[in-house]
Amino acid sequence: KAGVTQTPRYLIKTRGQQVTLSCSPISGHRSVSWYQQTPGQGLQFLFEYFSETQRNKGNFPGRFSGRQFSNSRSEMNVSTLELGDSALYLCASSLSHGSTEAFFGQGTRLTVV
Amino acid sequence: GQNIDQPTEMTATEGAIVQINCTYQTSGFNGLFWYQQHAGEAPTFLSYNVLDGLEEKGRFSSFLSRSKGYSYLLLKELQMKDSASYLCAVPNDYKLSFGAGTTVTVRA
Repeated sequence: KAGVTQTPRYLIKTRGQQVTLSCSPISGHRSVSWYQQTPGQGLQFLFEYFSETQRNKGNFPGRFSGRQFSNSRSEMNVSTLELGDSALYLCASSLSHGSTEAFFGQGTRLTVV
Repeated sequence: GQNIDQPTEMTATEGAIVQINCTYQTSGFNGLFWYQQHAGEAPTFLSYNVLDGLEEKGRFSSFLSRSKGYSYLLLKELQMKDSASYLCAVPNDYKLSFGAGTTVTVRA
């Protein structure tokens, strides 16, 4: 059974640009959560999608958004990039909304220059 | 909200035992997770404790005391490949809140 797939693995963008990251959850999993990981802040929750609806949102500005498609694949978008957005963005796949066990993808390493 | 504390770094020698402590304060408790994360890789699930006591899985064991808001991860017979970051996390409101992680360095 394939794991959680995130693309791309690495990305370099300049300030002010926007970026879209993709996550394909484990087959059969319908909940996708996104996290930002930085050396200073650790892993911080961004948002969760289930059945194409955002169910939960962390404390991030509106520049961070996401969506989920009918096949459970999810994308997150960051607009007007800032240097501080440089981080590892991790996607976690769960069977359903409220499932306690989450499986993480390899992440997308975003560098903003 | 959640307040989760764990030590920043620990160093131990190959074959030794290391105990990583985690204390938490949470408005509701739905268990506690431990994840292992090697540099540049995804966090991988190690354990999930919801009841008090010790759960053993091979060289790794995890302990929970709900009344004390305390957990530890015990790594026995350390191997070089155990050098990684270990993350303590509690689920709340359908998300995971993580500690900052403990970087364990295993030396020969």
